[in-house]
Amino acid sequence: ETGVTQTPRHLVMGMTNKKSLKCEQHLGHNAMYWYKQSAKKPLELMFVYSLEERVENNSVPSRFSPECPNSSHLFLHLHTLQPEDSALYLCASSQDPQGRNQPQHFGDGTRLSIL
Amino acid sequence: GDSVTQMEGPVTLSEEAFLTINCTYTATGYPSLFWYVQYPGEGLQLLLKATKADDKGSNKGFEATYRKETTSFHLEKGSVQVSDSAVYFCALSLSGGSYIPTFGRGTSLIVHP
Repeated sequence: ETGVTQTPRHLVMGMTNKKSLKCEQHLGHNAMYWYKQSAKKPLELMFVYSLEERVENNSVPSRFSPECPNSSHLFLHLHTLQPEDSALYLCASSQDPQGRNQPQHFGDGTRLSIL
Repeated sequence: GDSVTQMEGPVTLSEEAFLTINCTYTATGYPSLFWYVQYPGEGLQLLLKATKADDKGSNKGFEATYRKETTSFHLEKGSVQVSDSAVYFCALSLSGGSYIPTFGRGTSLIVHP
C-alpha cells in the first residue's frame, strides 16, 4: 500500500476511443505527477501539478489532457491515441514542493495498450 | 542540465553475491540523491536517500554514500536475495532549483537461486 492509487490497472483501447486514467493520493501531498514508462526507454515526465496548478508540461501531444480538480486527485484524459502510446503510465505525489528533499510516492501504474 | 547516469543492465548475480550498481550525477547545485526500486508489476518506491555530502542512506541491507568529490551515489548490498530482483533507479533533486527529480535510466537486477 503506497498511498497512491491508480485505476484502472490495465486498459485496452482502440485509437478512436476516449478514456481517462485516475490517480488518488491519501498522503496529504500537494504536488502530483504523470510519468510514461516504455520498455527500454527512460522514465518520461509528462505533467506536474503543484497546489492544483500545472507547472510542467514536457511537450506532450495534445491527445493527452491532464486534469487536477483538487490536491488529492489527478486524471489523464486520453483521446485518439497512437500505438506508440502503449506504455505503463505512473502517477506520483510528493509533499510541499518547497521541501525539496522529499521523495516521490508512486502508484502501481496503469498498463495501457492501444490496438 | 542536470543528469543521472547509471550502469547499463541487466546485472545478473547468484544469491548471496555482492551487489554494486554505479550511479554518477551532474548538477548545478547541491542535490539530494535517491535510490528507487521497481518490483515487477509495481510502481517505483523509495529505497533510500541522502541529502548532503558524506551522508549514507541505508534500507533493507542496501547502502549508498553521497560522494561529492566523485559525484557518485553507488548502491551496494553485501548479500543479494532472489527477492531483490527488480529495476533500480538513481535520482536527484536540487535544493536550490526545480524540485522535480531527475531519474537515471534504471538498472535491472536479476538474482538466480
